[in-house]
Amino acid sequence: DIVLTQSPGSLAVSLGERATIKCQSSHSVFYTSNNKNYLAWYQQKAGQPPKLLIYWASTRYSGVPDRFSASGSGTDFTLTISSLQAEDVADYYCHQYHSTPWTFGQGTKVEIK
Amino acid sequence: QVQLLESGPGVVKPSQTLSLTCAVSGGSVRNGSFYWNWIRQHPGKGLEWIGYVYWSGMTSYNPSLKNRLTISVDTSKNQFSLKLSSVTAADTAVYYCARDRGFDRSGYYQGALESWGQGTLVTISS
Repeated sequence: DIVLTQSPGSLAVSLGERATIKCQSSHSVFYTSNNKNYLAWYQQKAGQPPKLLIYWASTRYSGVPDRFSASGSGTDFTLTISSLQAEDVADYYCHQYHSTPWTFGQGTKVEIK
Repeated sequence: QVQLLESGPGVVKPSQTLSLTCAVSGGSVRNGSFYWNWIRQHPGKGLEWIGYVYWSGMTSYNPSLKNRLTISVDTSKNQFSLKLSSVTAADTAVYYCARDRGFDRSGYYQGALESWGQGTLVTISS
């Protein structure tokens, strides 16, 4: 199985400041046939299902604010919230869909400092 | 916009079979572009992919659950289902159904889970 390791486990950021979450994969999730990284990021607020933020490692999903951005390739990925808003308080998960079983990172809790 | 709604008993006795259904509206399970997934989340924990089913009935399961798991699709009712046998307290979780982004026109899998149900809490308890 591909293991995704997120860091940090939690972080507290002041409103308007930058939040950065990392996701490291035990195996490359890059698919050479179409030059895509099979990695997604989700936001999960308390009591709600996860919401897709990013797919192909760096493509924002429809309706996602542009303060959310992501980058990376192969085994190392980053999700950045450029200016944290109160509504961004949530758990964030990376997810690989390169190889079954699909797997998720253990999550990062983002709070307001 | 496709909508998904999980249903099933909230409490299941140990050793019995957990059965859940995901009703699909605003889209068809017969659409050959998508996988229909089940994911669970143990209380206070992260996400675990359980498996998926394709409209044809083809499935892929998480090996950690494979021996106890059946996922099926009912195209006549536009729904898909999960059955997990011999449950224990370790199967207590919120169970979500979800649809992925499917395949693009070139046939490449686009993955990523873009539509989720609200989730249903299943507690294993006698």
